[in-house]
Amino acid sequence: DADVTQTPRNRITKTGKRIMLECSQTKGHDRMYWYRQDPGLGLRLIYYSFDVKDINKGEISDGYSVSRQAQAKFSLSLESAIPNQTALYFCATSDLNGGDIQYFGAGTRLSVL
Amino acid sequence: AQSVTQPDIHITVSEGASLELRCNYSYGATPYLFWYVQSPGQGLQLLLKYFSGDTLVQGIKGFEAEFKRSQSSFNLRKPSVHWSDAAEYFCAVGDPTGGGNKLTFGTGTQLKVEL
Repeated sequence: DADVTQTPRNRITKTGKRIMLECSQTKGHDRMYWYRQDPGLGLRLIYYSFDVKDINKGEISDGYSVSRQAQAKFSLSLESAIPNQTALYFCATSDLNGGDIQYFGAGTRLSVL
Repeated sequence: AQSVTQPDIHITVSEGASLELRCNYSYGATPYLFWYVQSPGQGLQLLLKYFSGDTLVQGIKGFEAEFKRSQSSFNLRKPSVHWSDAAEYFCAVGDPTGGGNKLTFGTGTQLKVEL
């Protein structure tokens, strides 16, 4: 969905480096999410935020941190990347008034060498 | 805790044939249910959703799904598959209580369409 933009689309980095993945949305939604996708495991929730002052850990938050800079921006950071964080990362947004349906960005493919 | 099972990792069908993708969930009450599709190199697109009411829901691209409470299932169907339907399909469960809707996804079913 073009209304949810993730940058970069692809990134290769080395073990130990700090990486930030960014997500911005023009849908006006309050709620934003970060997922990672691994083959055979589906999508797993890393962090979610229901508004600018609300940040919550998801199923697999260890090794990650997030920042909700504004209603429209939600960044995911890997403070010290490790190879098993190689995955496809998705940002999503939703609006409680819209039935909380989640809309996804196109994803960021991250490789940690 | 809620969970979702998609028992078929891969499915191959011929173009024009009917399709049914299985989804079973575990949840204490009636959850929100979703089917998403992911085409290669793309994000996830919502096909259809069930919140309440009519248990047969219609979605985009000619897909439908039926909620069966007694079987804890929400199977996705299409009467006639097109080659462009080749993609990965994810079933997801949402918790309608607790002020939020964190989704739990199944592991996905990869659909291949033979011409």
